[in-house]
Amino acid sequence: AQSVTQLGSHVSVSEGALVLLRCNYSSSVPPYLFWYVQYPNQGLQLLLKYTTGATLVKGINGFEAEFKKSETSFHLTKPSAHMSDAAEYFCAVSDAGDEKLTFGTGTRLTIIP
Amino acid sequence: NAGVTQTPKFQVLKTGQSMTLQCAQDMNHNSMYWYRQDPGMGLRLIYYSASEGTTDKGEVPNGYNVSRLNKREFSLRLESAAPSQTSVYFCASTEPVAGNYGYTFGSGTRLTVV
Repeated sequence: AQSVTQLGSHVSVSEGALVLLRCNYSSSVPPYLFWYVQYPNQGLQLLLKYTTGATLVKGINGFEAEFKKSETSFHLTKPSAHMSDAAEYFCAVSDAGDEKLTFGTGTRLTIIP
Repeated sequence: NAGVTQTPKFQVLKTGQSMTLQCAQDMNHNSMYWYRQDPGMGLRLIYYSASEGTTDKGEVPNGYNVSRLNKREFSLRLESAAPSQTSVYFCASTEPVAGNYGYTFGSGTRLTVV
């Protein structure tokens, strides 16, 4: 069975600084990996996903993530934080070809002006 | 706009009362899901439906029932609400065609049981 660990339930960065949100997964088969964002009082919105092919994937709002099999990681980055990036971010995993997702516990990102 | 619609958005129940949370999607997706979100616990799967007429238990099914009424609609029922069911409930759908994995979520139902 898959599992996901998000390191750091709260992360604060200054506006304009690098955003790095960490995600490590455990899966016995090749995984599909996802990042979702949740703004206050809203549902989750897909930021980006890795299924096959290029290991560096680009998503919406300037975010990107890199699948590193050797490190079982799928960290989310953005070069320059914006106030509008303040939200909660969830990493999720599924076994390749399995539609069911397992979610991490989330990381709340705060942007300091 | 195409997407997943959940009703109601907010609900307060007394312990022991029953209610049904409604979910409908207009994207012709086969698979639909119900999750609950609790602080520090992420999203946990309650029930899912891989296609019309089928339902399966997820991680936390106790105290809930579901109905896949047709391809569009997937409802979640609490027969006798308990304070432990206070949570935010999300419905999601997907069409597991190769290369198109990932859910579309509704905006959630915030349920309080007193």
